[in-house]
Amino acid sequence: GAVVSQHPSRVICKSGTSVKIECRSLDFQATTMFWYRQFPKQSLMLMATSNEGSKATYEQGVEKDKFLINHASLTLSTLTVTSAHPEDSSFYICSAVPGFTEAFFGQGTRLTVV
Amino acid sequence: GENVEQHPSTLSVQEGDSAVIKCTYSDSASNYFPWYKQELGKGPQLIIDIRSNVGEKKDQRIAVTLNKTAKHFSLHITETQPEDSAVYFCAASGNSGNTPLVFGKGTRLSVIA
Repeated sequence: GAVVSQHPSRVICKSGTSVKIECRSLDFQATTMFWYRQFPKQSLMLMATSNEGSKATYEQGVEKDKFLINHASLTLSTLTVTSAHPEDSSFYICSAVPGFTEAFFGQGTRLTVV
Repeated sequence: GENVEQHPSTLSVQEGDSAVIKCTYSDSASNYFPWYKQELGKGPQLIIDIRSNVGEKKDQRIAVTLNKTAKHFSLHITETQPEDSAVYFCAASGNSGNTPLVFGKGTRLSVIA
């Protein structure tokens, strides 16, 4: 299947700093990518839809100024958690869809804010 | 919007037995239903999917059935093995690549050797 690479896999940052997470589609182009958040032992919750060349669409309750999404090319979307706080600690996962087929997920990023 | 319910939340089976996980969805416009396996600390991995024009699909030990009238779909794993132990998620979406998946809450499957 198609490959979606997410980096970094783990990151620890201090409270108040910003963290950038990258999501790359390695062997296909993706005009749309999705960002999910997953708390321990819970399901994946959609945060936002990232659209290449335009603004991201955020789900209700997700702060767009805190979770900045940039989809600058057909193979890269980035999620920046700004002014991170301990409550932002979570597992962040991106996905991309090659055309109209199944969605492929990145490996996830474990963010810990201390 | 779409709502996906998944049952059971936990499931323990003996090695070699079958496991069945069931999901229901609310939006009759949904027509794509994938199943994902997630191991600890990793992203979800697609294991099988089904589209609304198909009632059943099988891939070796894994099968999925879909009943569009009742709006439910199920995952069947036969001859379970310890390496099948993981969390399984069902999901639903429209057919467009721009439509995000809505996930069920997951089922933690434990296969006991």
